[in-house]
Amino acid sequence: DAKTTQPNSMESNEEEPVHLPCNHSTISGTDYIHWYRQLPSQGPEYVIHGLTSNVNNRMASLAIAEDRKSSTLILHRATLRDAAVYYCIQGISNFGNEKLTFGTGTRLTIIP
Amino acid sequence: GAVVSQHPSRVICKSGTSVKIECRSLDFQATTMFWYRQFPKQSLMLMATSNEGSKATYEQGVEKDKFLINHASLTLSTLTVTSAHPEDSSFYICSARPLAAPYEQYFGPGTRLTVT
Repeated sequence: DAKTTQPNSMESNEEEPVHLPCNHSTISGTDYIHWYRQLPSQGPEYVIHGLTSNVNNRMASLAIAEDRKSSTLILHRATLRDAAVYYCIQGISNFGNEKLTFGTGTRLTIIP
Repeated sequence: GAVVSQHPSRVICKSGTSVKIECRSLDFQATTMFWYRQFPKQSLMLMATSNEGSKATYEQGVEKDKFLINHASLTLSTLTVTSAHPEDSSFYICSARPLAAPYEQYFGPGTRLTVT
């Protein structure tokens, strides 16, 4: 299984940007990088995904290193609702069905 | 858009009985749905991948006769936990992959199963 490495926890102040790092050194050329977040007792929420280029959506930005062995999820202005466990996942292509293997994620705490 | 529902949200059953959990994609079609299990303070573990109209593919260590998966339509998959035991108590979460967005998955809110 593809393994990503993330810090166990991070803290950030409300209304400041947050940069969540992820290492995926075993990534291959066709593996996507996905980010999901999960609040307690809820299913994960899709945040963003990318392959090679940096990506932006209404929730976040994803910056992917040139060698693709690491990426950073950027929340531009953290709110209390952004407190969650963030999972960085290397999607493994499996006969056309990409599987997601969740690691332990980063628990993000937002300080008011 | 991209809403996935699960029913029931919570269920308590006696040991030895079977429980069925439904997963529906409400506003999109999904050829592929996934079932995960999450124990307290742990991450999600993929149990199986199901494609509409074909047999599910189970992850190593997951008993296919115990966790029956049916993917009858492009919007519905069901997981039946047969002969449930207390160790099957967990948070079961499904996800669905939209036809139109094959690199995204949308998750349901989860079903908390307690076996007494």
